[in-house]
Amino acid sequence: ETGVTQTPRHLVMGMTNKKSLKCEQHLGHNAMYWYKQSAKKPLELMFVYNFKEQTENNSVPSRFSPECPNSSHLFLHLHTLQPEDSALYLCASSHSGTSGRIYEQYFGPGTRLTVT
Amino acid sequence: GEDVEQSLFLSVREGDSSVINCTYTDSSSTYLYWYKQEPGAGLQLLTYIFSNMDMKQDQRLTVLLNKKDKHLSLRIADTQTGDSAIYFCAESSSYNTDKLIFGTGTRLQVFP
Repeated sequence: ETGVTQTPRHLVMGMTNKKSLKCEQHLGHNAMYWYKQSAKKPLELMFVYNFKEQTENNSVPSRFSPECPNSSHLFLHLHTLQPEDSALYLCASSHSGTSGRIYEQYFGPGTRLTVT
Repeated sequence: GEDVEQSLFLSVREGDSSVINCTYTDSSSTYLYWYKQEPGAGLQLLTYIFSNMDMKQDQRLTVLLNKKDKHLSLRIADTQTGDSAIYFCAESSSYNTDKLIFGTGTRLQVFP
């Protein structure tokens, strides 16, 4: 059973809506991640947080706004999305790898987002 | 820029060996990874290899690295239907192993 949970599992929203994706980890990790998974495209890293501080923003449009209130929770706030933003959004957590050591990233099951 | 490429599909018969290939462009890549995604689930780390290694074996899994050609492969011996999944290749540098660059994933279908 994964220690990373994501809610909701499925979300359909219009282009003018505002919604949020939630991720929670119970593994004692201090790094959390958002990824975007689209068909036939590489799995795309969006944001990285280490100890609640954003350490990576992979040129993500501002209509995606992450929030990390503590090391166990990560949100992705969505507003005025486009149909091409429809994808599976995966959250992951790990111990921080900025020291150069390898730590496995543990993934949640994802939120399937459809923008209409 | 950094780029990781994989073929999208592979179909094999149960009991045969599967070989999933990956190429990467970043010469500073120090760690290379294989992750597995089962239907409806997130990714799970299968194995990784350090760039100064040529091969790593773990039970039915064999990872081969050709650093000169920037080519990585994952061989699954005696492939089972439970191995049907998407397999992702990824790379990272040694100084920031948080930042993984993934490929598209290869969907492995195992038929009886």
